[in-house]
Amino acid sequence: KAGVTQTPRYLIKTRGQQVTLSCSPISGHRSVSWYQQTPGQGLQFLFEYFSETQRNKGNFPGRFSGRQFSNSRSEMNVSTLELGDSALYLCASSLALLGTRGAYEQYFGPGTRLTVT
Amino acid sequence: AQSVTQLDSHVSVSEGTPVLLRCNYSSSYSPSLFWYVQHPNKGLQLLLKYTSAATLVKGINGFEAEFKKSETSFHLTKPSAHMSDAAEYFCVVSDRWGYKLSFGAGTTVTVRA
Repeated sequence: KAGVTQTPRYLIKTRGQQVTLSCSPISGHRSVSWYQQTPGQGLQFLFEYFSETQRNKGNFPGRFSGRQFSNSRSEMNVSTLELGDSALYLCASSLALLGTRGAYEQYFGPGTRLTVT
Repeated sequence: AQSVTQLDSHVSVSEGTPVLLRCNYSSSYSPSLFWYVQHPNKGLQLLLKYTSAATLVKGINGFEAEFKKSETSFHLTKPSAHMSDAAEYFCVVSDRWGYKLSFGAGTTVTVRA
């Protein structure tokens, strides 16, 4: 089975611009989560989607948004980029099922390295 | 709320010697805990998972971890370090439903030849 794929792998943007990152989950996985990794703050949860619905959201400003499509692929968008948004953005997919309780493994993609200048 | 604390930011070992990475957790419910590894410029790879079955969990590449409720710990060990084990390791706790992972700050492992 193919793993989680993320595109693009590297991106350079200017302050004030917006950016869209894409994530394709493992086939059959309907849950997709996004995380931001920075040297100062470590790995932080952004949001999680299941069947096109956002189920959970981290403590990030409204400039960070996401969506999930019917084929489970997900995108995240950051508007009005700031220098502090420079980070590795990781996407993870999981078999987590609707209405079930328990921790399913999350499988991570290689990440998108975003640099804001 | 749930959280984890990794007690060492950096661990240095010689090749062939044991590795111990320490993690304490805090959770208001029976937690699900994970260890992930991240090699330079790579994504995260799951090493092992604890979800209230056996307290001693075996993972990939010879790693194992022991869940100790009385000590709220989930330490990761490997009997014999290999050069390829040089990486950053994260202890992780899941929320009750498994939707959101909370990561520790990470432990960087250096392996000396």
